[in-house]
Amino acid sequence: GQQLNQSPQSMFIQEGEDVSMNCTSSSIFNTWLWYKQDPGEGPVLLIALYKAGELTSNGRLTAQFGITRKDSFLNISASIPSDVGIYFCAGRAGGGADGLTFGKGTHLIIQP
Amino acid sequence: EAGVVQSPRYKIIEKKQPVAFWCNPISGHNTLYWYRQNLGQGPELLIRYENEEAVDDSQLPKDRFSAERLKGVDSTLKIQPAELGDSAVYLCASSLVRGQVEAFFGQGTRLTVV
Repeated sequence: GQQLNQSPQSMFIQEGEDVSMNCTSSSIFNTWLWYKQDPGEGPVLLIALYKAGELTSNGRLTAQFGITRKDSFLNISASIPSDVGIYFCAGRAGGGADGLTFGKGTHLIIQP
Repeated sequence: EAGVVQSPRYKIIEKKQPVAFWCNPISGHNTLYWYRQNLGQGPELLIRYENEEAVDDSQLPKDRFSAERLKGVDSTLKIQPAELGDSAVYLCASSLVRGQVEAFFGQGTRLTVV
């Protein structure tokens, strides 16, 4: 089956630093989504990407859909304590409402 | 607008017992998903419904798992009998299939089988 490789597995950073994480796949995806999950909660959608090369921002978050359609990147600028959590990339290989394939997550820890 | 609602939030059962989870999707969303999330992993799709029809259940362990969405709105996922390895968070998500499709998740049900 399809697999998404998400890196890094965890990040320890200082408040105010910028963060970068990425997701790669051996196969092509038509949609990339980035989610954040807090302890005891379900994933919350941050950014959705639908076209190769697309660059989309949501406040301090910016994500890009790779040109090859096999990767995606998420950047967080000027991190703040509430950015702590687990970030998941998710891809959809088919069209419409097909199910998502998730990465294993990047655990972001911010030291004040 | 209310989000995806799941109940119960937590469930502890003994192995070999049955258990059921309930999900009410966002109003008007015709697609409903059940995912399972093991500790330290991303969610994995179990089943997808388009209205009341299960259109993708290839990852559902059918010997012990069943699901239904009788009227195309809320859904129930059942495990009978539960095994120790079924301990996980069970997440429900829904989508509105119109143009670009985004999936929104509920808070999940954390199942512990002892």
